[in-house]
Amino acid sequence: AQSVTQLDSQVPVFEEAPVELRCNYSSSVSVYLFWYVQYPNQGLQLLLKYLSGSTLVKGINGFEAEFNKSQTSFHLRKPSVHISDTAEYFCAVSPPYSGAGSYQLTFGKGTKLSVIP
Amino acid sequence: GAGVSQSPSNKVTEKGKDVELRCDPISGHTALYWYRQSLGQGLEFLIYFQGNSAPDKSGLPSDRFSAERTGGSVSTLTIQRTQQEDSAVYLCASSPRVGQGAFTTFGSGTRLTVV
Repeated sequence: AQSVTQLDSQVPVFEEAPVELRCNYSSSVSVYLFWYVQYPNQGLQLLLKYLSGSTLVKGINGFEAEFNKSQTSFHLRKPSVHISDTAEYFCAVSPPYSGAGSYQLTFGKGTKLSVIP
Repeated sequence: GAGVSQSPSNKVTEKGKDVELRCDPISGHTALYWYRQSLGQGLEFLIYFQGNSAPDKSGLPSDRFSAERTGGSVSTLTIQRTQQEDSAVYLCASSPRVGQGAFTTFGSGTRLTVV
């Protein structure tokens, strides 16, 4: 079984400042890692994913995340945030494909990012 | 279609009534998931369909919840005798096939309010 912990439920940050949203996971097997963004009254949009290879992953809207296996972390970062980044961000994991199972996503409880003008 | 379509977008129902939520996945996607997003619980997996295989119902919270997928396409999530704790946003997602979580696309959800 997997679990995901997002350490901050809310993160306020001033516009053009950098931000880091923290995510730690627990799993007995290797996992795929994801960050999703949810704008008000909308579904989830994939920001970026780590499947294998380079541990630094770049996504849409200037976000990036780094997979750290030893610390079981996948923190999301952006060097300069915009008002439009105000949304809720979800970290998620799924087991890698091995031929059986449903491979559903296990989510953290989310972090609400508020960008202050 | 171009995306995952869910209907209705909002549903208000009285406690004890049955409700049906519909999901129309992306054409050609064989894997379909239902998740529930509620305050304090975050996003929880409910049920998974893959082609003609038996669904994975391990996430359904009680026997009041059921789902079907007809013809490998449209899915309906049914909640019988709704309770106030069923109030949540129900999200549907699809992916081209099993294990392709990286290509999972979510719908906008159905916001269910039980009064």
